[in-house]
Amino acid sequence: DAGVIQSPRHEVTEMGQEVTLRCKPISGHDYLFWYRQTMMRGLELLIYFNNNVPIDDSGMPEDRFSAKMPNASFSTLKIQPSEPRDSAVYFCASSFAGAMEGQPQHFGDGTRLSIL
Amino acid sequence: TQLLEQSPQFLSIQEGENLTVYCNSSSVFSSLQWYRQEPGEGPVLLVTVVTGGEVKKLKRLTFQFGDARKDSSLHITAAQPGDTGLYLCAGAGGTYKYIFGTGTRLKVLA
Repeated sequence: DAGVIQSPRHEVTEMGQEVTLRCKPISGHDYLFWYRQTMMRGLELLIYFNNNVPIDDSGMPEDRFSAKMPNASFSTLKIQPSEPRDSAVYFCASSFAGAMEGQPQHFGDGTRLSIL
Repeated sequence: TQLLEQSPQFLSIQEGENLTVYCNSSSVFSSLQWYRQEPGEGPVLLVTVVTGGEVKKLKRLTFQFGDARKDSSLHITAAQPGDTGLYLCAGAGGTYKYIFGTGTRLKVLA
């Protein structure tokens, strides 16, 4: 079975440009999570969805970040305008149920984003 | 705010040595998971512990959940170069999301 698929794997762009990261979760999973990982701050939860509905976006840094899940098989994380401090590895993860049920999260291989 | 502190942050050991990684919090978690992450990949689940005092073994890895469900440890016996990676604990509080720990970066030298 295919795992969580993220694209692109690498993105290098100049400050001020719009960046769109894409994620295809595992079929049948009800929860989708977007994380950001840096050496300084570790793995941070940005936002998560349940049945395509955003549940908690308290981790989204600021208004420049937005996330959508138009259907059960696709989600995007958009940064506009991008800044050098947004440089990080962004992960998408999906799970069959939420943390309260003790279900594992399945991670994609991430998008390494560099903002020049 | 729920926080999970892992120690040590970095660990470099020789092949064959034993090691223990700790995951501590002042908060109670309903369950706790351990993940391993290799360079260029996402974290992969190793184990989930649910009951206070629970011990689970996965080959040379032993996981323990504290009696009060506030802390956990991961012990590796006779470490091998293939154990190299970033180890992350993740706790489930009262919501549908996991709180990830600060991570322990392990390097096992041949």
